[in-house]
Amino acid sequence: AQSVSQHNHHVILSEAASLELGCNYSYGGTVNLFWYVQYPGQHLQLLLKYFSGDPLVKGIKGFEAEFIKSKFSFNLRKPSVQWSDTAEYFCASLTGTASKLTFGTGTRLQVTL
Amino acid sequence: DVKVTQSSRYLVKRTGEKVFLECVQDMDHENMFWYRQDPGLGLRLIYFSYDVKMKEKGDIPEGYSVSREKKERFSLILESASTNQTSMYLCASSLSGTGTYEQYFGPGTRLTVT
Repeated sequence: AQSVSQHNHHVILSEAASLELGCNYSYGGTVNLFWYVQYPGQHLQLLLKYFSGDPLVKGIKGFEAEFIKSKFSFNLRKPSVQWSDTAEYFCASLTGTASKLTFGTGTRLQVTL
Repeated sequence: DVKVTQSSRYLVKRTGEKVFLECVQDMDHENMFWYRQDPGLGLRLIYFSYDVKMKEKGDIPEGYSVSREKKERFSLILESASTNQTSMYLCASSLSGTGTYEQYFGPGTRLTVT
């Protein structure tokens, strides 16, 4: 079965620090990958997605992710985090059929002032 | 703007009760999904539906059933609630076919079973 792994469960950073959250997927076929974010008390919302083309994908709020096929990875990055980036981040992979998503276990990011 | 609404933000039920969670989307999406979200486990798919009256089991369907009588509405049913079903339940919807497969999520229902 397809799986998505997020190895960082809880990350604490100071404001202005750089961020990289790891995501690895297992599916070897056509890959469609997503990062979602859940701010405290809010809906899960899409940060960015990769379907094909340029492996460096830019999303909202200054986030980007790089698809590296050889490493089965899709890590999320931001050069300088803000306190408002405190949230839970989920990586997800589209499975082969019916638009189903497989989610990772999530990474809780805490940004301190 | 896509809107996915869920009938309750918070719900407290007793063990053995039948529980209905309702989800409505307003963007004419074909696909609808029910997930449960638990700390350290991420989101796990319970059931999904790709058309009216069509449904498929997800990864953890045991103890749940669903109903989709109208395109915009997808209900999750806990036939006999148990304490291990205490969780956050998220509904989502998406378009079908080629193109973007982004799922749009509702605000969630936090269910406590006592």
